[in-house]
Amino acid sequence: DTAVSQTPKYLVTQMGNDKSIKCEQNLGHDTMYWYKQDSKKFLKIMFSYNNKELIINETVPNRFSPKSPDKAHLNLHINSLELGDSAVYFCASTRGEGQYGYTFGSGTRLTVV
Amino acid sequence: DAKTTQPNSMESNEEEPVHLPCNHSTISGTDYIHWYRQLPSQGPEYVIHGLTSNVNNRMASLAIAEDRKSSTLILHRATLRDAAVYYCILITGGTSYGKLTFGQGTILTVHP
Repeated sequence: DTAVSQTPKYLVTQMGNDKSIKCEQNLGHDTMYWYKQDSKKFLKIMFSYNNKELIINETVPNRFSPKSPDKAHLNLHINSLELGDSAVYFCASTRGEGQYGYTFGSGTRLTVV
Repeated sequence: DAKTTQPNSMESNEEEPVHLPCNHSTISGTDYIHWYRQLPSQGPEYVIHGLTSNVNNRMASLAIAEDRKSSTLILHRATLRDAAVYYCILITGGTSYGKLTFGQGTILTVHP
C-alpha cells in the first residue's frame, strides 16, 4: 500500500480553470504538507495542516485553498489557474515535531496551457 | 529553522563510499538534522535523521560532529541508483510548526 498517495499524477488544463489535487496518507501521521517544485527544481513549502488545523500558510496567492476533511487527507484547490502555476506539487506527512521523518507522495505534475 | 550549507555537487564511483558534508553552524539544541534525497522525476525520499548521536540505517549513516555544527551523510557503497540531489535540513523539535525548508542540496553523480 502506498503510504502517501496523490491524485491525479498528471493534470493538464487551460488558464482560468479551477482544479483540485488530492492527497491521502495511511501512516496515521498528524501533520500534512503541500510543497511546490518549480521548473528550476526548487522545493518550496505552501501549507501545513496539523490534525485538520491550518498551521503554516506561506506566501501563496489566495487562489490556492487547502482543505483537510480529516487528518488522513489534505486536498489543494486552485482557482483561476495561471501559466505560472505549472509545477510539480508534492504532498508530505509526518508524525510531527522534528524527531520523525517526513514521507512524500510521488507528486502531481500540473501543466497550465 | 537554522540554515545549512552544502556543496553544489559531488562525484563518486560506483561501489565506493560517499561522504556528503553539511555545515549548520547556527544549529540550536532542539534542532534535528534531517537528510532527504530526490531521485530524478520522483518525490523527496527520507534518508536518515538524528539529534546528537551518530545514526545508522539500511540506507546510510549519519555522522554528527561533537559540537553539532556539521554533519556528514555516508553512503557506504554508492550505486548508480544513489545518483540524486541530497538535502540536509534542520527542523526544530518539540513543535508542530516544524517544516522542511529545502535549500539547493548537493547533486551527487555516480560514475559506473
